[in-house]
Amino acid sequence: KAGVTQTPRYLIKTRGQQVTLSCSPISGHRSVSWYQQTPGQGLQFLFEYFSETQRNKGNFPGRFSGRQFSNSRSEMNVSTLELGDSALYLCASSLGLAAYNEQFFGPGTRLTVL
Amino acid sequence: AQSVTQLDSQVPVFEEAPVELRCNYSSSVSVYLFWYVQYPNQGLQLLLKYLSGSTLVKGINGFEAEFNKSQTSFHLRKPSVHISDTAEYFCAVKGYGGSQGNLIFGKGTKLSVKP
Repeated sequence: KAGVTQTPRYLIKTRGQQVTLSCSPISGHRSVSWYQQTPGQGLQFLFEYFSETQRNKGNFPGRFSGRQFSNSRSEMNVSTLELGDSALYLCASSLGLAAYNEQFFGPGTRLTVL
Repeated sequence: AQSVTQLDSQVPVFEEAPVELRCNYSSSVSVYLFWYVQYPNQGLQLLLKYLSGSTLVKGINGFEAEFNKSQTSFHLRKPSVHISDTAEYFCAVKGYGGSQGNLIFGKGTKLSVKP
């Protein structure tokens, strides 16, 4: 069974631009979560989607948004990029919303904002 | 709300020596507990998890962890480490009940195994 895939793996943008990151979950998984990883703040939860609906949201500004499609694939968008948005963005999928469900992580998208 | 404290940011150890990576948590609700490992330029891989039952949990690659409810700890141990265990390790909790289903991570512990 294929794992979680994220595209692109690396991305370089300039301040003020916007970016869209994509995540394809493991087949059969319906929940997708996004995390931001930086050296200073560590791993922080962005949001979680299930059945095309955002179910939970972390403490990030409105410039960060996401969506989930009917095939469970998810995208996240960051508008008006800032230097501090440089990070590794990780996507994780799980079977459902139950807390005991294991989250399987993708390799991440490394975003660099210049 | 939950929080996780990993007491050591870096742990150097010699090959074949035992290691313990410490994790303490706080939470106002019941939680599930997890340890993840991250190798360079990769995502996170689950090492082990505690959901219920026996407080001693065995995971992959010879790692184990013990849940101590009274001390709110979930320390990770391995009796004999290998060079290949060099990686960053993250302790995480997830509250259950209500809208507290996302993982809360510690800041990570970098394990460096030297020959």
